Amino acid sequence: EPEVTQTPSHQVTQMGQEVILRCVPISNHLYFYWYRQILGQKVEFLVSFYNNEISEKSEIFDDQFSVERPDGSNFTLKIRSTKLEDSAMYFCASSRRGLQETQYFGPGTRLLVL
Amino acid sequence: GQNIDQPTEMTATEGAIVQINCTYQTSGFNGLFWYQQHAGEAPTFLSYNVLDGLEEKGRFSSFLSRSKGYSYLLLKELQMKDSASYLCAVRDSGQNFVFGPGTRLSVLP
Repeated sequence: EPEVTQTPSHQVTQMGQEVILRCVPISNHLYFYWYRQILGQKVEFLVSFYNNEISEKSEIFDDQFSVERPDGSNFTLKIRSTKLEDSAMYFCASSRRGLQETQYFGPGTRLLVL
Repeated sequence: GQNIDQPTEMTATEGAIVQINCTYQTSGFNGLFWYQQHAGEAPTFLSYNVLDGLEEKGRFSSFLSRSKGYSYLLLKELQMKDSASYLCAVRDSGQNFVFGPGTRLSVLP
């Protein structure tokens, strides 16, 4: 069964450093999403992406964040200058069509900012 | 403001039926989602409601009343593997997703 994959599974970085989190959505899916979940807290929507551009973004997704689909398979989330409060689990998800379709989540990348 | 309320924890017995409620106040409404999340794992999509009424999918059903800002997830024939957190999320008029805090369900033998 096809699945969303994410790399790395864990990342530790110093405050102020740039990180890139990588996702490979399911191959015939057209919609891509990033969410984050701070330990013990609720899931938070960051951004959705369709047709090579951002379709929606939350207030959390400020200028420090960017997304890109650099080729036909990868979908990346970049945090330019990490802060301590960026420490969280970051989930990528994809769906075949719009939101009425099932969203499949990847296993997540646990980011720790020191 | 945006707010979604769910009970923090629930306990039920294997084989029983449990109903997890969700109430929401959001700026607009474009659908309500239920997810299951086992500890340390990613959320798994369970259901989507955009119109009032009941959506049934196997052992899981989800109900929506837009006028009351209310939904519930009904789990039948509970199994031990159903022990997990259940997340209610609403897509608002700005097309953002607002998640509730989740309900931690414990299924006891």
